[in-house]
Formats: sequence, C-alpha cells, structure tokens
Amino acid sequence: QQPVQSPQAVILREGEDAVINCSSSKALYSVHWYRQKHGEAPVFLMILLKGGEQKGHEKISASFNEKKQQSSLYLTASQLSYSGTYFCGTDGGATNKLIFGTGTLLAVQP
Amino acid sequence: EAGVAQSPRYKIIEKRQSVAFWCNPISGHATLYWYQQILGQGPKLLIQFQNNGVVDDSQLPKDRFSAERLKGVDSTLKIQPAKLEDSAVYLCASSLLWGGRGIYFGEGSWLTVV
Repeated sequence: QQPVQSPQAVILREGEDAVINCSSSKALYSVHWYRQKHGEAPVFLMILLKGGEQKGHEKISASFNEKKQQSSLYLTASQLSYSGTYFCGTDGGATNKLIFGTGTLLAVQP
Repeated sequence: EAGVAQSPRYKIIEKRQSVAFWCNPISGHATLYWYQQILGQGPKLLIQFQNNGVVDDSQLPKDRFSAERLKGVDSTLKIQPAKLEDSAVYLCASSLLWGGRGIYFGEGSWLTVV
C-alpha cells in the first residue's frame, strides 16, 4: 500500500513556509524523506525512526507519529533550491524495504 | 567519497530487444537496490540485495527481468525481451547494512523502448 502524500503540489514565494504530509495504512518502523529535482536522482534528506522523534536539517525538519502512521516534513523560509518533488519512503520493518509515496511537487518562486 | 555509479546513462532499444544496466555501489555498502521510476511516479523497488543474497524480489517481473550481484559488490540488471512499458529510469541505490539507514541513489539509467 503506497503512502499518500499531501498536498500533491504547492507553489511558494521565497521565504515562505510549507508542510508536506505522508500517511501510511500500515505500521511503520521508519520514514525516509527524499528530494528529487527534474532529471536527477532522489537525494536523501533524513530518516526518522519510530519513537516520535523530530529531526532537522538546516531549515528542513520532520516529525514522525508512529501511532497515527504519519510523518510531516517542514520547510521554513524556503529557498529557490528547495524546488523539486519530495517523496516519503516508508519501511514497515527494519529492512530498508521502502515503499515510496505519491510525491509532492514544490515550486519556489522568487 | 565516490557515489553510486551506473551505466549506461541513456539507452534506446526496440521492443523485444535486450538491455543490461550496471551498478557499483558506495564502498562498504552491503545493501544494494534496483528501483524502477516511471515518469511522474515515485521509485518502485524491483530487487534488494544484502551482500550477494536476495532480500526481496517480489516486484521483479521474473519472466523478463533478472538481476545478479555475484561478488557482493557491483550488480547487473537485465531486461529480455523489453516491452514498451519498460520505458523508465532504472535507479540503483545502496545503503549500509540493514534498516534505519539512508539510501543513496545513483544518477539512473534512462531506458526508452520504441
């Protein structure tokens, strides 16, 4: 069962904030977040393990609620370089067998 | 540190022909993955290796796709015979042993079947 991401697409101005959500119908061990620019490979951003931890990477952070089987990615003070498609990847066991979500297209405009 | 290497970058073949893709993972990464990404969709796992053993190949169309990782390092993915719907980017990725680790992707091999 593919995780569902919302929104499907979002357009921001530089400096604005955004939240991308990832929801799974299955129990999760971990959630990964990746950013993919057009014509390039996905780039690993961060991983969250069950335990409800929150992580940060510069102005990008994420949370994981294992009870709700949901994760959210927070982008603050967005930059042009944040543009791309964001995918969550979910792992139901500690095997790194990821099922990638439906994707969220983020466009940051000057 | 060198990243995941893949070749060829681009390939155009006719349907029913065969094609092979090669991947060399990041040094020290025991787990190697092959993903298929169709335009506009997220990557779909085809096969996952742990060293030279297969961990999961449940979504590999075994009637036409095969993959091997003989010495636990580099890997080859083959498609024979190719179909039009195989047109996609084939992404190789690697990670350190087992779960809770980030997965690092190569630049991908773009396949067009005409």
